[in-house]
Amino acid sequence: DAGITQSPRHKVTETGTPVTLRCHQTENHRYMYWYRQDPGHGLRLIHYSYGVKDTDKGEVSDGYSVSRSKTEDFLLTLESATSSQTSVYFCAISEYGTSSNQPQHFGDGTRLSIL
Amino acid sequence: DAKTTQPTSMDCAEGRAANLPCNHSTISGNEYVYWYRQIHSQGPQYIIHGLKNNETNEMASLIITEDRKSSTLILPHATLRDTAVYYCIAKRINTGTASKLTFGTGTRLQVTL
Repeated sequence: DAGITQSPRHKVTETGTPVTLRCHQTENHRYMYWYRQDPGHGLRLIHYSYGVKDTDKGEVSDGYSVSRSKTEDFLLTLESATSSQTSVYFCAISEYGTSSNQPQHFGDGTRLSIL
Repeated sequence: DAKTTQPTSMDCAEGRAANLPCNHSTISGNEYVYWYRQIHSQGPQYIIHGLKNNETNEMASLIITEDRKSSTLILPHATLRDTAVYYCIAKRINTGTASKLTFGTGTRLQVTL
């Protein structure tokens, strides 16, 4: 299995508080992704990174920011959490981007509940 | 990326082959077919992918029809641990945009004794 660790695995917090989720990889892959999974919506891309300090928005980026200061770490921050951001968040990695057919590999997710 | 259509659910007896179909009739020439599965409370697990030739790895085989409009994932000897939701995804390469995977609703495979 790909070396991807997400932390925390579970978190409960209150509306309006800041939350940071971490994705750590040991594969030295260039690309990293954050998805959220909600019933009826499948997985939706929030943000992705194509290198250290290089990030871009996905399809549901509003309310989220990301940072990547090291190859191995990709952080997802909810500046002021809202109940609509209650979800399961998955990190994925891939060695190459859109020019390659190589697959993405996923972590085991963070279950976030915002009350 | 092309839309994929899969049956909602399937059953398979343990030890038998599980054949999971996927329709992708509008697939284009630079779209690969990927299969993932998701076991309850875990992240999606990559299984296999292909363009037009049949593919096999230690987990499964992927059979793609000659016209590429459909494919079948084969788990040769299903076990209870293969119970999961299986996703078939068509993904274009060389788009120059974010390489997102679009997961549909998948097929819920139940392996029984």
